[in-house]
Amino acid sequence: SYVLTQPPSVSVAPGKTARITCGGNNIGSKSVHWYQQKPGQAPVLVVYDDYDRPSGIPERFSGSKSGNTATLTISRVEAGDEADYYCQVWDSRSDHVVFGGGTKLTVL
Amino acid sequence: QVQVVESGGGVVQPGRSLRLSCAASGFTFSNYGIHWVRQAPGKGLEWVAVISYDGSNKYYADSVKGRFTISRDDSKNTVFLQMNSLRAEDTALYYCAKEAYSENYFDFWGQGTLVTVSS
Repeated sequence: SYVLTQPPSVSVAPGKTARITCGGNNIGSKSVHWYQQKPGQAPVLVVYDDYDRPSGIPERFSGSKSGNTATLTISRVEAGDEADYYCQVWDSRSDHVVFGGGTKLTVL
Repeated sequence: QVQVVESGGGVVQPGRSLRLSCAASGFTFSNYGIHWVRQAPGKGLEWVAVISYDGSNKYYADSVKGRFTISRDDSKNTVFLQMNSLRAEDTALYYCAKEAYSENYFDFWGQGTLVTVSS
């Protein structure tokens, strides 16, 4: 089955840039989507189709992809960005949705 | 505005059954696929199942295939998840999530309903 690999945790100081990676075999051929989940809340879509942002999501959130890795970049990090972040793809071979294991972003 | 609201969770003994409901409003229900995603306490997101917009396609995670059944009733704007032969490892918060149009990502999520499997 298809696997997405994320670092368990990332720490960043306020005002700096956080980068959260998501690795997967041949991920370049798939559309990658990113969700933010704050404690006690449902996930919220922050990036879809690799780099597009839903309305209402700040421009500080951006997505990119290179080789076998997709990256969610959060610029000018704020305390309110502290959350778990998940990447997601659709695996057409198995007709399954696949989530990465999640990354806890800590704002120092 | 778009809303999806889950219900039907509770405490159930191992081996028993439970049926979850996902009631939707604020969009043309029959045009969208609906997914169930679960999250065990303190763990990450795990996809469970999807039903296509017209009900013709249903896919399941390997961990629930053969035990869970997803269905929809467009007259009630509701999706169901019938869960049989429940196990302790099925204990989780179960989210209902709406697909974006003709896409395989989720633009709206419910707040979840908690299922606890325990004797």
